[in-house]
Amino acid sequence: DAGVTQSPTHLIKTRGQHVTLRCSPISGHKSVSWYQQVLGQGPQFIFQYYEKEERGRGNFPDRFSARQFPNYSSELNVNALLLGDSALYLCASSWDLRYEQYFGPGTRLTVT
Amino acid sequence: AQTVTQSQPEMSVQEAETVTLSCTYDTSESDYYLFWYKQPPSRQMILVIRQEAYKQQNATENRFSVNFQKAAKSFSLKISDSQLGDAAMYFCAYRRGAGANNLFFGTGTRLTVIP
Repeated sequence: DAGVTQSPTHLIKTRGQHVTLRCSPISGHKSVSWYQQVLGQGPQFIFQYYEKEERGRGNFPDRFSARQFPNYSSELNVNALLLGDSALYLCASSWDLRYEQYFGPGTRLTVT
Repeated sequence: AQTVTQSQPEMSVQEAETVTLSCTYDTSESDYYLFWYKQPPSRQMILVIRQEAYKQQNATENRFSVNFQKAAKSFSLKISDSQLGDAAMYFCAYRRGAGANNLFFGTGTRLTVIP
């Protein structure tokens, strides 16, 4: 079975631009979470979606938004990029809100 | 708020030896789970071991075991017979027992295995 997939693998953006990151959960998983991992730090929770509804939000500015589609895939959008948004963005999926999260390989975002 | 603290930024161990990574956490909840994740240079976050707070018995997965001290809010990871493939960043993580299953991570410990 395919694991969590994320695209793109890495990308470079300029300050002020916006970016869209994509995540496909493991087949059958209905919950997707997004995490930001700045270099040298542990992942920080951004959003959680379950059955297409937002079920949790971390301490991130409104420039960050996300959504989940009917096929349970998800997008993370970041507007007005700042240098500090440079990080590895991890997506994790789970059956529902009770079970373990399985992580994708991440998207490395560099903002110049 | 839940916090997870890993006080060892870096650790090293000789191949075939045993190493213990430390983690403490703070929570006011009684129902929760604790995890150790491994993140090799490939960046993939891999679950190593999990512990339910209501279980007194320490979890074990092959060469990996934990020492869970609930009263002290301590959750250490012991790696026995260390192998070169164990070299990675190790993150301790916490999640609530009910409701959302998002994780709170520590800052990580970089483990080096010396041949």
